[in-house]
Amino acid sequence: DTGVSQDPRHKITKRGQNVTFRCDPISEHNRLYWYRQTLGQGPEFLTYFQNEAQLEKSRLLSDRFSAERPKGSFSTLEIQRTEQGDSAMYLCASSPSGVWDSPLHFGNGTRLTVT
Amino acid sequence: GDSVTQMEGPVTLSEEAFLTINCTYTATGYPSLFWYVQYPGEGLQLLLKATKADDKGSNKGFEATYRKETTSFHLEKGSVQVSDSAVYFCALYKGAQKLVFGQGTRLTINP
Repeated sequence: DTGVSQDPRHKITKRGQNVTFRCDPISEHNRLYWYRQTLGQGPEFLTYFQNEAQLEKSRLLSDRFSAERPKGSFSTLEIQRTEQGDSAMYLCASSPSGVWDSPLHFGNGTRLTVT
Repeated sequence: GDSVTQMEGPVTLSEEAFLTINCTYTATGYPSLFWYVQYPGEGLQLLLKATKADDKGSNKGFEATYRKETTSFHLEKGSVQVSDSAVYFCALYKGAQKLVFGQGTRLTINP
């Protein structure tokens, strides 16, 4: 169990630029989640994949955000035309079954700063 | 909508003190309740959970009891250690694979 890996750890970008983050889940986990955490707040749910299918999306996920999980392995989260309000920690988690049955394993996150 | 409220931090205690971190929730129906912990430099990890009223979750000396009448899930430990220093998050689950987290409580234990 090598844990959930996220890349990059930090990203600084100018407003209006596009950014992409990558998450590598624990290999045998077929569920993958993205959360966003702003300073002083708890994580907020963004989206959920079971294998390659994106099954849930929060209304927080505006049309500037897109997530993919090709082949049901790693996942990417892209933010287009970044805004200062997008500055946050983006967390990825994985689990072998649903939230009710098994704990989520979180990565260390990607910290995005939009200047 | 569903929400979780935790006691304001940071909380600073001496080693071997008794710990309580308050958590209350607002939700319709019967959510499952969780405590997640984030140790320095690590990702969040599950500490304990309870799935129905009056259930007690426990792990690593920590306990929390699901109280439906007071909509609470307070975290307690009888004797804290320096290694318990972390950020603690209370969360609820009602479905759609979505956890709703509180804002977190930073705990520091001094030797």
